[in-house]
Amino acid sequence: GDSVTQTEGLVTLTKGLPVMLNCTYQTTYSPFLFWYVQHLNEAPKLLLKSSTDNKRTEHQGFYATLHKSSSSFHLQKSSVQLSDSALYFCALSDTGAPRFGAGTKLSVKP
Amino acid sequence: NAGVIQTPRHKVTGKGQEATLWCEPISGHSAVFWYRQTIVQGLEFLTYFRNQAPIDDSGMPKERFSAQMPNQSHSTLKIQSTQPQDSAVYLCASSSDRYEQYFGPGTRLTVL
Repeated sequence: GDSVTQTEGLVTLTKGLPVMLNCTYQTTYSPFLFWYVQHLNEAPKLLLKSSTDNKRTEHQGFYATLHKSSSSFHLQKSSVQLSDSALYFCALSDTGAPRFGAGTKLSVKP
Repeated sequence: NAGVIQTPRHKVTGKGQEATLWCEPISGHSAVFWYRQTIVQGLEFLTYFRNQAPIDDSGMPKERFSAQMPNQSHSTLKIQSTQPQDSAVYLCASSSDRYEQYFGPGTRLTVL
């Protein structure tokens, strides 16, 4: 069945450093991939989405490229800020119910 | 656009009592999703509706949990005989297609 894997449970970084949060998926269909961000005590909000192979998508300084050959959709940012501290979910949607990864908590220190 | 509305925001029940959670999707959205979020289990899919019809309830616990969508403007998640392990934040989301979801603020259920 469909699945999404996020390998890091917690990533701790100093402000200003680059970050990459990993996301790989499994599906037999042509998928839409998403990144959602959830700040403390808030609801998840859409950050990025893509269904186009090898095309970079960007929003609020974050970017990701869907690579169907490697079934990956890693989230990156060149310089993290304190306000980026949050829980990040990778999600997959195709013909069935959406699948979410376990989430990666990003903690940015001063 | 008020976004997805969930009521109540917080609910405290005693063990064995019933809890009903309400969700009002964004007007015009055809799909409604229910999730449960805990620190231990993360974000768990429960069920979803499209055009008010139940499509997939594979994440719903088979006993005590039920969901309905009697009209396009609201959905309910009912938990009978609540147990402490049901304590979680229950999130509702709506979508205008099969893809991008808009989440409500959630209902924090605490079972004593």
